Amino acid sequence: DQQVKQNSPSLSVQEGRISILNCDYTNSMFDYFLWYKKYPAEGPTFLISISSIKDKNEDGRFTVFLNKSAKHLSLHIVPSQPGDSAVYFCAARPNNAGNMLTFGGGTRLMVKP
Amino acid sequence: DTGVSQNPRHKITKRGQNVTFRCDPISEHNRLYWYRQTLGQGPEFLTYFQNEAQLEKSRLLSDRFSAERPKGSFSTLEIQRTEQGDSAMYLCASSLDSYGMQYFGPGTRLTVT
Repeated sequence: DQQVKQNSPSLSVQEGRISILNCDYTNSMFDYFLWYKKYPAEGPTFLISISSIKDKNEDGRFTVFLNKSAKHLSLHIVPSQPGDSAVYFCAARPNNAGNMLTFGGGTRLMVKP
Repeated sequence: DTGVSQNPRHKITKRGQNVTFRCDPISEHNRLYWYRQTLGQGPEFLTYFQNEAQLEKSRLLSDRFSAERPKGSFSTLEIQRTEQGDSAMYLCASSLDSYGMQYFGPGTRLTVT
């Protein structure tokens, strides 16, 4: 039973355009959400996060939106750059279980020059 | 400043053998986590430590798996009587405290033949 889902296994966008990566969750106890980026042969690296008390968080080219009623979050990358090509994981943390993260299956983003 | 390190980076073993992996967290971090990632999936939580105490274990951690963090610094993950289904990337992460950001190591890729 996947509590965090990323329904698009891959996404291809042109350099300079917007990349939108989506994530859905089912557990109402999740109160903190994160996006990690992973390059081949490296561990995941933290990108951006959002608390459930907010609906938007922005950091440079990266913005995360949270829609609690729909149990949906998205990551926007504007403008996309070839160096953004990686696998992106959505992760969620419940408010009652320490710091354990539940990850989605990932979306492979390819930014074409 | 060194990040989280894991050794070995790759391990090939025959079914039935025992293997042990090591994780060295960021030095001041008191929380240490183990995750497993199989092909095409996101990382799945296995267990975590606060200092030397193992506080949570996932149902994924069968009795063939054991993890230790004897002095609250490095940790080891041992798999006894390996099975082909154990083939995966084993990721270690650490965080400063209970709700701190998790920083991941590069992982140990295990292949069981």
